[in-house]
Parts: sequence; C-alpha cells; structure tokens
Amino acid sequence: NAGVTQTPKFRILKIGQSMTLQCTQDMNHNYMYWYRQDPGMGLKLIYYSVGAGITDKGEVPNGYNVSRSTTEDFPLRLELAAPSQTSVYFCASGALANYGYTFGSGTRLTVV
Amino acid sequence: AQKITQTQPGMFVQEKEAVTLDCTYDTSDQSYGLFWYKQPSSGEMIFLIYQGSYDEQNATEGRYSLNFQKARKSANLVISASQLGDSAMYFCAMREGLFREYGNKLVFGAGTILRVKS
Repeated sequence: NAGVTQTPKFRILKIGQSMTLQCTQDMNHNYMYWYRQDPGMGLKLIYYSVGAGITDKGEVPNGYNVSRSTTEDFPLRLELAAPSQTSVYFCASGALANYGYTFGSGTRLTVV
Repeated sequence: AQKITQTQPGMFVQEKEAVTLDCTYDTSDQSYGLFWYKQPSSGEMIFLIYQGSYDEQNATEGRYSLNFQKARKSANLVISASQLGDSAMYFCAMREGLFREYGNKLVFGAGTILRVKS
C-alpha cells in the first residue's frame, strides 16, 4: 500500500520555467490537498479538491494551477516560476474525520 | 488573527521526562477538530493525535495525550517519557466545521521544534 506518492523529490528550476508536481494516491480518498512549507514555517494550503473534477483555491493559490481528472491523481502546475516559490511542497489526501491527512514525502523545489 | 498559535519556537526536554507543547486556536465554529503532527528531520509528516470539539475526554494515543481546554481554546500536546526519537518539529492544526463541511481543510500553526537531551 503506497499511500500518497509525490514526484519528483527534488527539483531546481530557473526563473520563468514551468513544471508539474505529480501526486498520486491509492487509498480511494476523495479529498486531496497541496500545501507548501517555507523554511521554519507551518504549512499553507495552495489548492484542494473534494473529488474528481472539483478543485478550489486555498490560502496561497497565486502562481499555481491544479486539475483533478481522476480520484487518484492531483497534479500541481507551476507557471513562470519565481524565487518566492522556493519551498517544500506536500500533497495529502484524507477520508476519515478523526485522522486528518496522509501526506506524501514532499517535493523540495528551488527556483534560481 | 492567527487561527493556530504555537508560542514556543523551540523546546528542550530531558530524556524520560514529560513535555508539553502549547497550542491555542481561534474559531467561531462550534464544530471543529484539532490535530497534532510530527515532522522529523527526514521531512515526512506523521499524524499523532486528534481531538474533536465535542469530545468530552482528552484524547490519548500511547505516550501522546492532548490536553483540551475548550473554554481557553487550547489544545496542548503532552508527550510522556520522552525518547531521543521524539526530537522533531511538531505542528498543531485545526479543521473548522464538521467533517466534509468545508472540504476538511487543515490550518497549521508555525510549529515547535523539540529537542530531547540524553
């Protein structure tokens, strides 16, 4: 049981480049989330989805886009990368009220 | 206003002693959930414990307990008999509303770094 799988684990982007962070879960969870964690800080919600075809903005959505065509996949797209997007990105999924989320292992992104 | 406040940036505790990590929250909802996560230096996020706003008893999971004081809006994590492996960042988080009411979004505090000394 793989849980939540994120790829890549590390990436360096140049300013203005674009990339997609992949997230896949095999637990049949309807709810999926993207968070970013800046150094020494807590996690901030970028986007979330309550089911296939349904996405909504979180606290810090600017500069990002998402799609949810299947229950399993929830990719995060960065367009025109900026140094302010240097962060660790976590994908998570959840289905139980008293358990919160299952997190992926994170993607460490550096924009130079 | 911050939804989740963790006022202790860093804490030290002697091995085998108990430690309390503070968390206060701000919400006008009557229904909410409170969570604690552990983030070791390897970076993964590990769920520790959950407390629902209507739960009358404090949650416990092994060496972890949650000291829930609803009137004070605090949800402190107590770790008993600290171990070296407890050294990590600890995050308090809150879900406002009933399960599935607002997408189950969690709001996280800034975290507390705990160091266990031998």
